[in-house]
Amino acid sequence: QVQLVQSGAEVKKPGSSVKVSCKASGDTFSRYTITWVRQAPGQGLQWMGMIIPMFDTVNYAQNFQGRVTITADKSTNTAYMELSSLRSEDTAVYYCAAASDYWGRGTLVTVSS
Amino acid sequence: EIVLTQSPGTLSLSPGERATLSCRASQSVSSSNLAWYQQKPGQAPRLLIYGASSRATGIPDRFSGSGSGTDFTLTISRLEPEDFAVYYCQQYGNSRTFGQGTKVEIK
Repeated sequence: QVQLVQSGAEVKKPGSSVKVSCKASGDTFSRYTITWVRQAPGQGLQWMGMIIPMFDTVNYAQNFQGRVTITADKSTNTAYMELSSLRSEDTAVYYCAAASDYWGRGTLVTVSS
Repeated sequence: EIVLTQSPGTLSLSPGERATLSCRASQSVSSSNLAWYQQKPGQAPRLLIYGASSRATGIPDRFSGSGSGTDFTLTISRLEPEDFAVYYCQQYGNSRTFGQGTKVEIK
């Protein structure tokens, strides 16, 4: 089993960037695919991208290409999702998940001037 | 990108009734790479079904998945009070996409 602890809520200005972390414990981090999913208020789930830390392979959703960067630090068992050029529509809860079975509790990112 | 369309948008049922949720893909989902998730308010999604029909660890057998190609179904044989939630399908055969969700509410 793996436990995922995400960083705290953020408030950002339009045009800025946000970097959310997801720290894993309890199992070997690099053996899992780490996925990032977001959910705008009252809306459905939106897949953003994923990384396989063992191979440093990343795959991004078309909608976020060029704006999202997903990385992983195997030495600290931590994955990161950075989203740039923020706009109000990026206000959402951002989740990380390991192998689809284990989920973080989510990080609320609010984009507001 | 594969688009998933779920129906109905909302399902109003009573505890003990059977729930049938549909997920249709815009193109064939390879190797039945289709999953179902349950989400309750304020919680992260929970994996129920993967590979179209395999239950995830700890998922009760009242949940079952079926289908292949472009048409998939999640069935809850007898609704328990804790089953009232929103359900999402997700394909992972060609990148990843989610359906828009079906809300199962108490009638």
